[in-house]
This record gives sequence, C-alpha cells and structure tokens, in this order.
Amino acid sequence: AQSVTQPDIHITVSEGASLELRCNYSYGATPYLFWYVQSPGQGLQLLLKYFSGDTLVQGIKGFEAEFKRSQSSFNLRKPSVHWSDAAEYFCAVGAVNMRFGAGTRLTVKP
Amino acid sequence: DTEVTQTPKHLVMGMTNKKSLKCEQHMGHRAMYWYKQKAKKPPELMFVYSYEKLSINESVPSRFSPECPNSSLLNLHLHALQPEDSALYLCASSGRTSGDEQFFGPGTRLTVL
Repeated sequence: AQSVTQPDIHITVSEGASLELRCNYSYGATPYLFWYVQSPGQGLQLLLKYFSGDTLVQGIKGFEAEFKRSQSSFNLRKPSVHWSDAAEYFCAVGAVNMRFGAGTRLTVKP
Repeated sequence: DTEVTQTPKHLVMGMTNKKSLKCEQHMGHRAMYWYKQKAKKPPELMFVYSYEKLSINESVPSRFSPECPNSSLLNLHLHALQPEDSALYLCASSGRTSGDEQFFGPGTRLTVL
C-alpha cells in the first residue's frame, strides 16, 4: 500500500534562511510524487511533481525537490525563504487515489 | 481557464437538512475528485469520477452522495449529516486518472449543527 511520511510537524525558519522539508514514501512501483502548499482555509496549490526522468525537479516559487529512490525520499528545498512562504506543506504519492502526508507547518520568523 | 471553482464558500446546515456542494472546471479534465479535510489534517479522498462515471468510493457513508452531471460539473449532495462531518470539502480535477497532477478548488467550509 502506498503511504507518505512527513517527519516534521512544524518547522520554524528565519526569513532568508534555507529550507528543507522531508518526505518519505512507500510505493510498490515508480511513484508519482507531488508537493502541495496550502494557506489557511484555502485549497491546495501544486508546487512541483515527479513522475520520471531527472531526479531534481524545479517547481514554482523557487522550490525544488530531489527524488532519491535508494532512500525513498522526496525532500523539498528552497534556498531563501520569504515570509509569504509560511503555510502548510503536503507531500503526496500516487495517481488516482493520491495519499497525502500529515503535513508540515512552516513558520517564518522576521 | 486553469481554475476549479466551488460553491458555496461556506455552508451551515442542520442535521435534518439537505444541501449540495458544487464544483466546476473548464479545463477539459476528465477526472474529478472530492476530498474531505478536517482541521490540521491532510485531505482524505472520498470519491473519484473518471469520464463522468464513479470509479472510486472510499467507503464513504451514504449520507454523502456524489453526482457528475457532465464532464465539467461535480456535485456532492448532503443529507442527514452529523456534526463530525464538519470539515473543508475540496474538489479537484485532473486530465487523466493516472499520473496527472490534480488542480484543487478553494473548498467549501461546512459546519453541521
């Protein structure tokens, strides 16, 4: 069965600092992997996705993620965080019946 | 148009009421989804429609009844809900049921009294 683990429930970083959000997945085949962001009370916005090919994926808003099959990981990174990045971040795996991780709440300190 | 719209934004209903949530997309997507999201939790898949046919029902109680009248429209009919059904209901669509990213609407905040 497919599943996703986001080990960090809450992360606080200073504005301008780098960011890495962790995601580990369990999937029987080549996974479809996604990172979504959600602001309070809003829908989800896709940041980036991985289906195949280059394991370093570029997304919107300056985010990138690296697929590491050997570690079953798909960590999200950003070199310099902006205050507007404060939100809930969800890693997800699958295609039709997509499964989400529990989410990581990002707080940005001025 | 790369948008999924949902109406209403907020809904308050009693346990004996019947109401409906509406979702619309004009991206030509052939797969549409309903998710339920409780506070501080991830979205949970409820239903998937593929080419206007129900393809997945994640063992959702019958008080939730989905309907896909056409390829652009998805409804969720609600009847005899319980207070624990209060949540954010998200609609999404994708080009295919396999592999394409899902585009999410802003959600309907449902409160059951």
